[in-house]
Amino acid sequence: DAGITQSPRHKVTETGTPVTLRCHQTENHRYMYWYRQDPGHGLRLIHYSYGVKDTDKGEVSDGYSVSRSKTEDFLLTLESATSSQTSVYFCAISSGGARDTEAFFGQGTRLTVV
Amino acid sequence: TQLLEQSPQFLSIQEGENLTVYCNSSSVFSSLQWYRQEPGEGPVLLVTVVTGGEVKKLKRLTFQFGDARKDSSLHITAAQPGDTGLYLCALGLGSTLGRLYFGRGTQLTVWP
Repeated sequence: DAGITQSPRHKVTETGTPVTLRCHQTENHRYMYWYRQDPGHGLRLIHYSYGVKDTDKGEVSDGYSVSRSKTEDFLLTLESATSSQTSVYFCAISSGGARDTEAFFGQGTRLTVV
Repeated sequence: TQLLEQSPQFLSIQEGENLTVYCNSSSVFSSLQWYRQEPGEGPVLLVTVVTGGEVKKLKRLTFQFGDARKDSSLHITAAQPGDTGLYLCALGLGSTLGRLYFGRGTQLTVWP
């Protein structure tokens, strides 16, 4: 299994509070991604990173920010959580560079905003 | 607007039946990937197709890339309960694997 760890695996938080999810990899891969998964929507890209301190927005970036200060860690922050951000969040990594490069996923974080 | 349209959204069949699911776009792909996701897990790559008209087989799964590289299909022969899962197609954009976009998926249930 690819070395990806998401933490926490489950979290319940109140509306308006800040929340940070962590993705840690041991593969030294260049690309890291944050997705959210909701019924009927598949996986939607929130933000991704193509290197240390290099990040870009995805499809659904409003209300989310990210940081990558080290190759191995990619943090997703909800500055002020809302009920619409209740979802399952997946981190993925990829070495990139080729059309057939595989993306490896963590096991997900289930976030509930009440 | 979805970059990738998958159909059907849900598919429920009996063990032993054959099925085909589709992934379409109005854009030309440089490559397309198929992933399968089981409950409580992250998606896992099944195959990547890169050449128009390409056909790849993975046991009972056959993947086809359209000649114009704008569509792909996944055919499963003699489906088994172990094939149950969410099947996702994914498109990598740009000259490298930058933004990796997924379709909404096909939820397949195979009943014994």
